[in-house]
Amino acid sequence: EIVMTQSPATLSVSPGESATLSCRATQSVSRNLAWYHQKPGQAPRLLIYGASSRATGIPARFSGSGSGTEFTLTISSLQSEDFGVYYCQQYHNWPPGYTFGQGTKLEIK
Amino acid sequence: QVQLVQSGAEVKKPGASVKVSCEASGYTFTTYSLSWVRQAPGQGPEWMGWISTSHGNTKFAQNFQGRVTLTTDTSTNTAYMELRSLKSDDTAMYYCARDDGGTLDFWGQGTMVIVS
Repeated sequence: EIVMTQSPATLSVSPGESATLSCRATQSVSRNLAWYHQKPGQAPRLLIYGASSRATGIPARFSGSGSGTEFTLTISSLQSEDFGVYYCQQYHNWPPGYTFGQGTKLEIK
Repeated sequence: QVQLVQSGAEVKKPGASVKVSCEASGYTFTTYSLSWVRQAPGQGPEWMGWISTSHGNTKFAQNFQGRVTLTTDTSTNTAYMELRSLKSDDTAMYYCARDDGGTLDFWGQGTMVIVS
């Protein structure tokens, strides 16, 4: 199974600043990597797919990069609605199927 | 607009089964596959399985192989997930999500299943 590890577990950032979240895979997933944002009581929302493509309606302050085993999500000029938990997900191969990271909680500083 | 509307919360006893529905609208149902994902309280998402809405083919995570059944009804644009032999650690929010080649681009609102 491909294990996805996210860091840090928690990140405290002030509104208007930038945040950098990391995701590492135990083996190469090429660019088959997505990022999601989840607020309390809501379903996850797709932000980035293909490691760097923004989903429909996602603002340009969200950017993804990386390939192989190392990936980064950068959020510039943080706004209040950006706080919550971010998950990465690989969809590289079958078996064993898709796996998610354990999440990074982005908190207001 | 794309919507996935799931059935309501369920409370089940250990050993029972649960069947969750997911009705799709706003797009051609058979154009996209569907995945099912669950999320235990305070935990990250866990992918359970995938179904081709056009052919009915299925794939499952190893943890759920043999215990989950995925089906679709193309006449009503509805997908179903049945989980059997429920245990207390199956207590979770269960989501359906439209699957675009592995990217889960639209999600249902979730169905809470409590096993107690």
